[in-house]
Amino acid sequence: EPEVTQTPSHQVTQMGQEVILRCVPISNHLYFYWYRQILGQKVEFLVSFYNNEISEKSEIFDDQFSVERPDGSNFTLKIRSTKLEDSAMYFCASSDNRDTGELFFGEGSRLTVL
Amino acid sequence: SQKIEQNSEALNIQEGKTATLTCNYTNYSPAYLQWYRQDPGRGPVFLLLIRENEKEKRKERLKVTFDTTLKQSLFHITASQPADSATYLCAPSNNAGNMLTFGGGTRLMVKP
Repeated sequence: EPEVTQTPSHQVTQMGQEVILRCVPISNHLYFYWYRQILGQKVEFLVSFYNNEISEKSEIFDDQFSVERPDGSNFTLKIRSTKLEDSAMYFCASSDNRDTGELFFGEGSRLTVL
Repeated sequence: SQKIEQNSEALNIQEGKTATLTCNYTNYSPAYLQWYRQDPGRGPVFLLLIRENEKEKRKERLKVTFDTTLKQSLFHITASQPADSATYLCAPSNNAGNMLTFGGGTRLMVKP
């Protein structure tokens, strides 16, 4: 069964460092998303991406964040200068173009900022 | 502002019983409402979607209702099993491809 894959599964970084989280969405999907979940809290929307551009973003997704689909298969989330409060599980998700919009999530990348 | 409320307290039930979880929303007029399951440390997994013109949807042991007047969805698991223990998230939505906002989830514990 097709699945969304994410790398790395866990990354530890120092505050102020740049981090890139990678995702390979399901191949025929057209909508891509990043969500994050701080430990013990709810799953929060960061950004959605369609047709090679951001379609929506939340207040969390400030200038420190960027997304890219560099090669037609990968979908990346970059955090330019990490802060302690960026420590969270980051989930990538994709969806096809049916009218239901159900999301298929990856297993997540745990980011720990020290 | 839009708000989604799920019971933050864990629901503990005995194996074999029916679990009922509630999702209430305010300042929303969703065209769909989705339910997901999340296990600890893992990504959410889609379970069921119900449209605004559907009162009820079933899938195996799962049943979802959607009352747009009460602004509420109920999620039922019949003949519950310990393997059903997880956190269940609801997400009202308007259009495919747009952002999905999740409730805080309700943790279900099914005891043998």
